Amino acid sequence: DGGITQSPKYLFRKEGQNVTLSCEQNLNHDAMYWYRQDPGQGLRLIYYSQIVNDFQKGDIAEGYSVSREKKESFPLTVTSAQKNPTAFYLCASSMSLAAYNEQFFGPGTRLTVL
Amino acid sequence: DAKTTQPNSMESNEEEPVHLPCNHSTISGTDYIHWYRQLPSQGPEYVIHGLTSNVNNRMASLAIAEDRKSSTLILHRATLRDAAVYYCILRAGGTSYGKLTFGQGTILTVHP
Repeated sequence: DGGITQSPKYLFRKEGQNVTLSCEQNLNHDAMYWYRQDPGQGLRLIYYSQIVNDFQKGDIAEGYSVSREKKESFPLTVTSAQKNPTAFYLCASSMSLAAYNEQFFGPGTRLTVL
Repeated sequence: DAKTTQPNSMESNEEEPVHLPCNHSTISGTDYIHWYRQLPSQGPEYVIHGLTSNVNNRMASLAIAEDRKSSTLILHRATLRDAAVYYCILRAGGTSYGKLTFGQGTILTVHP
């Protein structure tokens, strides 16, 4: 089955630690995205990537970093510089950045800072 | 990004049609109208999108007003599995990247 996988499903982090969230897709999509969702809120864009070895900051990139070394993978690192990292993180992909392409979302990773 | 306005919540009975409205009075000519839905603790699911003409797919229909300042997502026969938060989103077309900007959405409750 084609789709997007995210791991882990739940992640606990101590203050001051960096953590990396995994996102893998086998849909052969060029574009990938990371969103953050806080309770009762909509999604906010952290980073996006149009193609391998290219990525751009979204609306709330501070305290986060990404890489896109392979087409299938777009890991997100939450650094200690992120002041309030506890949230639900969602990865998505689409054929391209074009507005007429739908985005396919993964199941999400819930990050809690202890 | 152009804004959308949706009711906070709506209710429906199972097997009845549901019409979810969305106002987007500041829409530009190249903005696509997208709808997604999300169940608790899950990623959003794409429902449908359109530009100017009404659209149908296996999940729903999208009715777009002639002036494009509003649209309606139509679920023809609601099921309990349709209970979710529905997001109406405008995505800018043209040559620039049009990101998905999620608002508060409409919480749809379906009664058996």
